[in-house]
Amino acid sequence: DTEVTQTPKHLVMGMTNKKSLKCEQHMGHRAMYWYKQKAKKPPELMFVYSYEKLSINESVPSRFSPECPNSSLLNLHLHALQPEDSALYLCASSLDGTNQPQHFGDGTRLSIL
Amino acid sequence: SQKIEQNSEALNIQEGKTATLTCNYTNYSPAYLQWYRQDPGRGPVFLLLIRENEKEKRKERLKVTFDTTLKQSLFHITASQPADSATYLCALGSTGRRALTFGSGTRLQVQP
Repeated sequence: DTEVTQTPKHLVMGMTNKKSLKCEQHMGHRAMYWYKQKAKKPPELMFVYSYEKLSINESVPSRFSPECPNSSLLNLHLHALQPEDSALYLCASSLDGTNQPQHFGDGTRLSIL
Repeated sequence: SQKIEQNSEALNIQEGKTATLTCNYTNYSPAYLQWYRQDPGRGPVFLLLIRENEKEKRKERLKVTFDTTLKQSLFHITASQPADSATYLCALGSTGRRALTFGSGTRLQVQP
C-alpha cells in the first residue's frame, strides 16, 4: 500500500461532465504534485503546490483546475475534457525542498468517452 | 532543448547477473538525479537520490553513479532477481525548482 491515496482508481466520463480527482497524504509533506502519464511514456508534470500555494503550472489547459484545501489534500477538478486527456493521473508528495524524494499514489485511470 | 534518454528497448538478463541501466541527458545541468521503479498499473516508487557533487550511492543491491562531465548516470542492480522486473525511470531536478523531469524509462526483465 502506498502512503499517498488517490480516489477514484478508475473514472469514465463524457466530454461534458464535471468530475474531481482526489489525493490525500498524512506524512506531513508540504509539497504536492499532479502528473499525467500516457501508456509507455514517463510521467509529465502538471502542477506543483508548495505550502498550499500553487508554485508551478506547466501550461496546463484550463479544463484542468487544481485545488489544495489543506496541507494533506490535493484535488484536480475536471471539466469539458477531450478524448486525448485519457491517461493515468498521478499524485505525489514530498517533504519540501528541491531535492526530496517524491512519494506517488497509484493514480486514477481516466477515460474520456 | 533539454533531453533525458534511457535505453528505449527492454533489457533482458538472467537471474543472478548485474543489470546496468543508463540515463543520459543533454542541455541540462541537474543539481540532483533520482531513480524510481514503476510496476504496471502502479505509481513510481523512489529508489535512490544522488547529488551533483556525489560520484556514487549504494543501497543494498542497488548502486547509482553520476558523472556530470559525461552527463550520464548508471544504475546497477547486483544479483538480480525476477522480482526486480519493472520499468526504471531516472528523473532530474535543479536547485530552486520543486519539479522533476523524467526520462522515458527502461523496462527490465529478469529471467529465472
